[in-house]
Amino acid sequence: DTAVSQTPKYLVTQMGNDKSIKCEQNLGHDTMYWYKQDSKKFLKIMFSYNNKELIINETVPNRFSPKSPDKAHLNLHINSLELGDSAVYFCASSHGIWGSTEAFFGQGTRLTVV
Amino acid sequence: AQTVTQSQPEMSVQEAETVTLSCTYDTSENNYYLFWYKQPPSRQMILVIRQEAYKQQNATENRFSVNFQKAAKSFSLKISDSQLGDTAMYFCAFGGDAGGTSYGKLTFGQGTILTVHP
Repeated sequence: DTAVSQTPKYLVTQMGNDKSIKCEQNLGHDTMYWYKQDSKKFLKIMFSYNNKELIINETVPNRFSPKSPDKAHLNLHINSLELGDSAVYFCASSHGIWGSTEAFFGQGTRLTVV
Repeated sequence: AQTVTQSQPEMSVQEAETVTLSCTYDTSENNYYLFWYKQPPSRQMILVIRQEAYKQQNATENRFSVNFQKAAKSFSLKISDSQLGDTAMYFCAFGGDAGGTSYGKLTFGQGTILTVHP
């Protein structure tokens, strides 16, 4: 069973479209994250949710909106996609806040905006 | 804000040899956590090793060990008996403790591409 699963794994879409990436974890973790990995492989946090509450929003454009319907899910919705949004997006989860505990990553979603 | 620097964009090593990847960080926090993650071509991020700053003893996990120098803010990863499967991008990361400004997230370095040659 996959611990942290993201769908889709690959997403190709046109500029201006709206798209969502889903993330689910079956580890019973209470904290979930979205990270963006750019073309240079640099990883940067976007959002962090603890018990469905947003605890970190790292100056991400308003076009990105995370939604956590329950502790096991953290979805990422992106409006009006731009070329610069092309990247790999990683979901992760941890029991408690990351740092003191290990976090597990999903396999990533490669988003390509054309 | 915390910064993490990996000064080696690429490294290569022969199979069965030892290689050390460098990482330095900057923080004003006293307690924190440091990690090395591995990202093979499959793209999956895999935790290699974790160090708690308040522990003086260096962490080890089988062939992987760290040299943690808190005063120098240095956290290098040593891979012994390198294997072909170790070929991957390696990321050093910093995680803050409760009450710190970086609590709740990891700050990653730029990564080091390691290639193990047969």
